[in-house]
Amino acid sequence: LAKTTQPISMDSYEGQEVNITCSHNNIATNDYITWYQQFPSQGPRFIIQGYKTKVTNEVASLFIPADRKSSTLSLPRVSLSDTAVYYCLVGDPASGSARQLTFGSGTQLTVLP
Amino acid sequence: NAGVTQTPKFRVLKTGQSMTLLCAQDMNHEYMYWYRQDPGMGLRLIHYSVGEGTTAKGEVPDGYNVSRLKKQNFLLGLESAAPSQTSVYFCASSLRGPGETQYFGPGTRLLVL
Repeated sequence: LAKTTQPISMDSYEGQEVNITCSHNNIATNDYITWYQQFPSQGPRFIIQGYKTKVTNEVASLFIPADRKSSTLSLPRVSLSDTAVYYCLVGDPASGSARQLTFGSGTQLTVLP
Repeated sequence: NAGVTQTPKFRVLKTGQSMTLLCAQDMNHEYMYWYRQDPGMGLRLIHYSVGEGTTAKGEVPDGYNVSRLKKQNFLLGLESAAPSQTSVYFCASSLRGPGETQYFGPGTRLLVL
């Protein structure tokens, strides 16, 4: 799976839009980009997944440029409850191997009142 | 539909003791994974399974063994626990490959004295 790079931490205020970028320069043709959210003492939880351009669901948007070497998770109007660690993961859903699977250290988002 | 469950939630071991962590999923997923997460770190893959009766090594397999005798269960064993294995262990499952959405359990906190 492609190695990913994210900022270690970000701060924001309630009500603001937050954008977290992930770099994945070695992304392969069949790879998808998936973002997870993890609260303290819990397992990660799926947020959104995409292949190209833009994907939106009820909680977030995912922007992927044409070269797919990076992606941006956008959280609209964050609240205190969005304080968590966010992980970017890149991989081929149809690939059998997880040998190089890595979540990296993620981005600690802290939302301030 | 319970999703992914893990047993036990917390355990204290003495160095050299053995134990087995149980993961169960009721989503009929083919793939199952065991991760460890150390304080302030991301998740690292220990072992994974691509189907009943199969197992494969991940990034940090040393000191652990796994078995997948039934499709819904994935067991992680520590034959001789060491303090370096103090961590939080997460189990996950996905319908197909690791690039697909992974569903995580609540985690098992293990302390090895």
